[in-house]
Amino acid sequence: GIQVEQSPPDLILQEGANSTLRCNFSDSVNNLQWFHQNPWGQLINLFYIPSGTKQNGRLSATTVATERYSLLYISSSQTTDSGVYFCAPHSGAGSYQLTFGKGTKLSVIP
Amino acid sequence: EAGVTQSPTHLIKTRGQQATLRCSPISGHTSVYWYQQALGLGLQFLLWYDEGEERNRGNFPPRFSGRQFPNYSSELNVNALELEDSALYLCASSFGARYNEQFFGPGTRLTVL
Repeated sequence: GIQVEQSPPDLILQEGANSTLRCNFSDSVNNLQWFHQNPWGQLINLFYIPSGTKQNGRLSATTVATERYSLLYISSSQTTDSGVYFCAPHSGAGSYQLTFGKGTKLSVIP
Repeated sequence: EAGVTQSPTHLIKTRGQQATLRCSPISGHTSVYWYQQALGLGLQFLLWYDEGEERNRGNFPPRFSGRQFPNYSSELNVNALELEDSALYLCASSFGARYNEQFFGPGTRLTVL
């Protein structure tokens, strides 16, 4: 099955700093989602992005499917951005479940 | 519009017992997915239901099973509980099958003693 690698595994930022999270995947994908998992375990949808670039407030994402990677940009980070960020491509033909990376744990300190 | 709901929030069982977890999808969604997030193992796909049928399952033993009801809600049953079944179980729904966006519920935290 598809392999998903996220980097860095851990990231500590001062409030107000910018960051880039990376997701590499081993096979072609039909779609890809980014999530933020809050401290209570809920997965919050950030982006649904098979290719190209999308922006939502201080967050933006870019997927380059032909090169098998996606990037999540967080600008002007806030303490509420803390948590774990997951990248999850849709696995492949006929298999519509998501395959998750191990996540990037982000800690934003005031 | 209501999101995906799951019940119960927490569940405590002992080894050998059975657990039943429930999920109600977003209105209009017909596909339901179950995922397990166990400590140290990450988020893993368990089961996928669409239009009342099991369409795919992950690499889990047969004691993990479930079903989808005519109203598209779903339940996950775990028989003969083992300590390593302790995990957060997340349900997601999407509009139909294919590569549509999945939305997750808040999860059920299962603890096996």
